[in-house]
Amino acid sequence: EVQLVESGGGLVQPGGSLRLSCAVSGFTFRDYYMDWVRQAPGKGLEWVGRIRNRANSYTTEYAASVKGRFTISRDDSKNSLYLQMNSLKIEDTSVYYCARGRAEPGTGGLDVWGQGTTVTVSS
Amino acid sequence: DIQMTQSPSTLSASVGDRGTITCRASQSIGSWLAWYQQKPGRAPKLLIYKASSLESGVPSRFSGSGSGTEFTLTISSLQPDDFAAYYCQQYNSYPLTFGQGTKVEIK
Repeated sequence: EVQLVESGGGLVQPGGSLRLSCAVSGFTFRDYYMDWVRQAPGKGLEWVGRIRNRANSYTTEYAASVKGRFTISRDDSKNSLYLQMNSLKIEDTSVYYCARGRAEPGTGGLDVWGQGTTVTVSS
Repeated sequence: DIQMTQSPSTLSASVGDRGTITCRASQSIGSWLAWYQQKPGRAPKLLIYKASSLESGVPSRFSGSGSGTEFTLTISSLQPDDFAAYYCQQYNSYPLTFGQGTKVEIK
């Protein structure tokens, strides 16, 4: 069964740091791009960033709202994706989802999602 | 950045009705558009990719059309399970961007 399981969410003070993890199973993780998407309470979806696969040199892309503060990484040997969040702001409060991106020509979209992990930034 | 604008924000409809949601891009994105369904407390689910390709396992009452800057998601006959939020997303260029969402509610 294809599965993504996020962990690491919690309550953190403004200015603090948190590292989210996403454990992957059921598919060949190293072949795929992986994304983080977040959703603030009662709001819509916001794309956070992407890390490409080894064939594409593990390059990353970020939304402007998190660039310079958040870092996406992956460990293909552990089938795991990470989101390091630094200098957290109150507006970073959201449910964070990891999702699988498809890079094959003619496809696209985020076709597998985790259940989400909640990050609350508050003093 | 490419801005995605959905309309309407809320669609009130009855079971059996045809439902149509529009998504407009601030610049041309070709056919690089996906549609997602999200139910409360759940992760989004991919319905349509490349503007009109139905994701495996998605009922055929869902269809997508359009290219360039204007796109449509159509539900041919709304079923009770379809009342949810729907989002479009462009993946033509970074940063990837979502529309603000459309809530489909029971009239």
